Amino acid sequence: KQEVTQIPAALSVPEGENLVLNCSFTDSAIYNLQWFRQDPGKGLTSLLLIQSSQREQTSGRLNASLDKSSGRSTLYIAASQPGDSATYLCAGANSGNTPLVFGKGTRLSVIA
Amino acid sequence: ETGVTQTPRHLVMGMTNKKSLKCEQHLGHNAMYWYKQSAKKPLELMFVYNFKEQTENNSVPSRFSPECPNSSHLFLHLHTLQPEDSALYLCASSVRQGDNEQFFGPGTRLTVL
Repeated sequence: KQEVTQIPAALSVPEGENLVLNCSFTDSAIYNLQWFRQDPGKGLTSLLLIQSSQREQTSGRLNASLDKSSGRSTLYIAASQPGDSATYLCAGANSGNTPLVFGKGTRLSVIA
Repeated sequence: ETGVTQTPRHLVMGMTNKKSLKCEQHLGHNAMYWYKQSAKKPLELMFVYNFKEQTENNSVPSRFSPECPNSSHLFLHLHTLQPEDSALYLCASSVRQGDNEQFFGPGTRLTVL
């Protein structure tokens, strides 16, 4: 059964800093992995989806990587801004018909 | 806006009440999902509907009853809930089950007194 872990649970950085959020998963036979952003009291916004055949995806200042052999994914945020403050969740699925398994998230605070 | 709406946004109910949560998606998707998000726990999948048919029930207590009358609408009927059911209930949709790029609604914050 796939398990997803995100460390640290919370992170605080000064504005402008580049940062990396980590996600680890237990089953390397992962089908795809998705990163989401959640603002307080709100729903999830999909940021990036990486298929198992891909190694990374980029969108603007965000870059997500997937290393199945080590069971890790990272979300790189360049030149962080206060508006990036939110909880970031990663979720993986072992096949197209199995549910997404979510981590508990990393709560990011970018200080102006 | 993700194209997925949920009502109400906030709900307070007693343990003897009956209420319903509504989700509507305007994306032309065929799969819809209910998730529960409790404090300090990962998001938990509750139910999945694919082309109006329930395909997943993640051992959810019967006091939660889903309904999917068509591919655009999903309901969660609630009755005799417990205080530990207080949580954020999120609805999501995708093109079909198996397409894991899911789009989420804003959620309903439920408090059970």
